[in-house]
Amino acid sequence: DADVTQTPRNRITKTGKRIMLECSQTKGHDRMYWYRQDPGLGLQLIYYSFDVKDINKGEISDGYSVSRQAQAKFSLSLESAIPNQTALYFCATSGNRERWYFGPGTRLTVL
Amino acid sequence: SQQGEEDPQALSIQEGENATMNCSYKTSINNLQWYRQNSGRGLVHLILIRSNEREKHSGRLRVTLDTSKKSSSLLITASRAADTASYFCATEGGSEKLVFGKGTKLTVNP
Repeated sequence: DADVTQTPRNRITKTGKRIMLECSQTKGHDRMYWYRQDPGLGLQLIYYSFDVKDINKGEISDGYSVSRQAQAKFSLSLESAIPNQTALYFCATSGNRERWYFGPGTRLTVL
Repeated sequence: SQQGEEDPQALSIQEGENATMNCSYKTSINNLQWYRQNSGRGLVHLILIRSNEREKHSGRLRVTLDTSKKSSSLLITASRAADTASYFCATEGGSEKLVFGKGTKLTVNP
């Protein structure tokens, strides 16, 4: 089984809709992260969580919110999706500072 | 904001040749990591080098780090078509966040 899973893998939605992307991990790590990737760019950090009660904004958190339901689960929500949120979204987890484990990504298209 | 730049943005070589990718970063780091991404898929950790190290090897990979120049390079020797992917450097600077560069897209032609 994959260490980090994301659902859905692909999603097409309309402007103004609320969208939730889900992530779960089996590594037993406390640290979880949400990244966004746009074409030609690297990954940019949206939100991160060091444990269930510790959630922090990343560099591009505007328009997004998160929920850490359990150690293994970290969800990303777009409250009111807009077209420039069309991107590839990755969840990741880390148990130390030396290796991150990434999910397969969710391709989100906002029309 | 991105941590830095990879150079080149794209690289096309023949199978069997070596591929060298460079990465520059802006702030002090604890370690620098290289990741590989096959088209549109998740990132896979390749190799890590700590700030007090200058060179590391793993199979066909060699990474160097020059903290005085805030730069790193990744060398893939004897490239294969299966090495075709995008390669990203990422730095960890003590905040337990990983900051990525923009990546180098490598194409290895059979």
